Amino acid sequence: DGGITQSPKYLFRKEGQNVTLSCEQNLNHDAMYWYRQDPGQGLRLIYYSQIVNDFQKGDIAEGYSVSREKKESFPLTVTSAQKNPTAFYLCASNPGQGMGQPQHFGDGTRLSIL
Amino acid sequence: AQSVTQLDSHVSVSEGTPVLLRCNYSSSYSPSLFWYVQHPNKGLQLLLKYTSAATLVKGINGFEAEFKKSETSFHLTKPSAHMSDAAEYFCVVSVRSNTGKLIFGQGTTLQVKP
Repeated sequence: DGGITQSPKYLFRKEGQNVTLSCEQNLNHDAMYWYRQDPGQGLRLIYYSQIVNDFQKGDIAEGYSVSREKKESFPLTVTSAQKNPTAFYLCASNPGQGMGQPQHFGDGTRLSIL
Repeated sequence: AQSVTQLDSHVSVSEGTPVLLRCNYSSSYSPSLFWYVQHPNKGLQLLLKYTSAATLVKGINGFEAEFKKSETSFHLTKPSAHMSDAAEYFCVVSVRSNTGKLIFGQGTTLQVKP
């Protein structure tokens, strides 16, 4: 079945450490998105990519970085500059054919600080 | 600019009774609107979408929503709640651009009592 796979499901970060969250999709979608979810705050956009080798900052990009070297993959790195990384991170994709398209979501990665 | 407001952060119903989750939107054009559901520690699943074809939209699991332009509302309903409906629900509007970006409401937690 086609879908989005996020790994790991749980991740722990030490102070000063960078960690990378994986997101892989086999839906042949052009566009991919990373969101951060905190309790009571809905979803906030971190970064998005509409095509391979190109990506744009979302609303809360500081302290995060991404790459898009392959269509199927859009990893997110949470750097040591992100002082409050504890959250639930969701990856999503859509066909990339303009507005009005729903996004498909992975099952998320929960990141905590040790 | 587009926005959505979910009018209730928490709704509690008894099993077998109707569900109403309220959403108002703001948009200067005819929007694309969605309802998503999220179960604990899971990603978001699309319940239904409105893209101007019909004002009454039927979704999965017996849910439906009605687009009312005069009231700028897109409320989600279900005639009879089931215990498995207990989850977080998000009303979402598509940004008017070719980026595929979405704007999420703050979410409504639905509790279903036996």
